Amino acid sequence: AQTVTQSQPEMSVQEAETVTLSCTYDTSESNYYLFWYKQPPSRQMILVIRQEAYKQQNATENRFSVNFQKAAKSFSLKISDSQLGDTAMYFCAFMKHAGSEKLVFGKGTKLTVNP
Amino acid sequence: DAGITQSPRHKVTETGTPVTLRCHQTENHRYMYWYRQDPGHGLRLIHYSYGVKDTDKGEVSDGYSVSRSKTEDFLLTLESATSSQTSVYFCAISGRASANTGELFFGEGSRLTVL
Repeated sequence: AQTVTQSQPEMSVQEAETVTLSCTYDTSESNYYLFWYKQPPSRQMILVIRQEAYKQQNATENRFSVNFQKAAKSFSLKISDSQLGDTAMYFCAFMKHAGSEKLVFGKGTKLTVNP
Repeated sequence: DAGITQSPRHKVTETGTPVTLRCHQTENHRYMYWYRQDPGHGLRLIHYSYGVKDTDKGEVSDGYSVSRSKTEDFLLTLESATSSQTSVYFCAISGRASANTGELFFGEGSRLTVL
């Protein structure tokens, strides 16, 4: 079974600075998807960024980027120029590429951006 | 925004009573999921569906049943609610009729309190 571990229950960062959230996962699959979801206080789950395991290039979405290390089974999220609106719970998630469509989540990291 | 609605959004009930949560989508997505979110646990999969009348268990399925009689509706039933089922329940959908990109679209959540 796949597992996803987020080792940082809480983090804080000053506005405009950069922060990195860690995620590791365990799988024997070679093809899979990895995701970062954001859950602001409104409780709505929002996809931040997505990475396909067969792509070596790290995904980027504006201020959000990932460091995908397949051999190390590591998938960290970097938020540049942090904004107050980035305050949220962040969940790392894993999905097998085929055969199972279940998304497995980590326990989350609560990020607070301070003014 | 994906057309996905959950009802009810909030419910308070007593131990031993049956409860049904409804998820309705207007996107014709193939896959539908029920997750529960609890502090310190992240999101855990209860049940999911990969088509009409096709469902399967997730990691925390005990005490829950589901039904999907049409593409747009996925019902989660607690036959006899217990206090341990107090949680926030999220419905999610993914995959157009013929493909699944891996991204999940979430409803706004249903907060259930079992007294």
